[in-house]
Amino acid sequence: GAVVSQHPSWVICKSGTSVKIECRSLDFQATTMFWYRQFPKQSLMLMATSNEGSKATYEQGVEKDKFLINHASLTLSTLTVTSAHPEDSSFYICSASPRGETQYFGPGTRLLVL
Amino acid sequence: GDSVTQMEGPVTLSEEAFLTINCTYTATGYPSLFWYVQYPGEGLQLLLKATKADDKGSNKGFEATYRKETTSFHLEKGSVQVSDSAVYFCALLLAGGTSYGKLTFGQGTILTVHP
Repeated sequence: GAVVSQHPSWVICKSGTSVKIECRSLDFQATTMFWYRQFPKQSLMLMATSNEGSKATYEQGVEKDKFLINHASLTLSTLTVTSAHPEDSSFYICSASPRGETQYFGPGTRLLVL
Repeated sequence: GDSVTQMEGPVTLSEEAFLTINCTYTATGYPSLFWYVQYPGEGLQLLLKATKADDKGSNKGFEATYRKETTSFHLEKGSVQVSDSAVYFCALLLAGGTSYGKLTFGQGTILTVHP
């Protein structure tokens, strides 16, 4: 149980394009989903917290117009990187939490912007 | 603020050696504590957790005890395997306030086990 999927697992795009990453909780309803960014050999940096049906809460220093988050249902959250640039290349990981308890993580999406 | 400090790595061991990865925390409330493991190119997997003082979490031969008096949650395994090579993250979760549901991670410890 407690499986979280992400799609795509990796994506390469041209600078200036937008990329959408999906995060799904497969066998539970997630009242809260989290989006993280991880640089090579570093810890996870929380980008934003999203609750189903409401606006995401962004961490300080994260551009909300750059990283659009939608949590339309209890099993799906999406992160859209708008007008991506090479500095946005990273490993993006989502997690889902039932009732604010233990977080279960997706396998991650590796984004490379050329 | 809340924080988690892990022993610096990388940690390199021979197969069947004893493993300890130290983790200490600072928190204003009563956190739950977690160990997550990340294998190369993958997301994080929950390894074990403890929700209150003196609880012991255990899984796959790993264990950690929630020590409130020393604010620690050290990870141990009696005999490591090559397949345990990964990055290990200690984390805390506060149950209330503005940090509700947010995990605070340590910096991660790289473990490499040689045959």
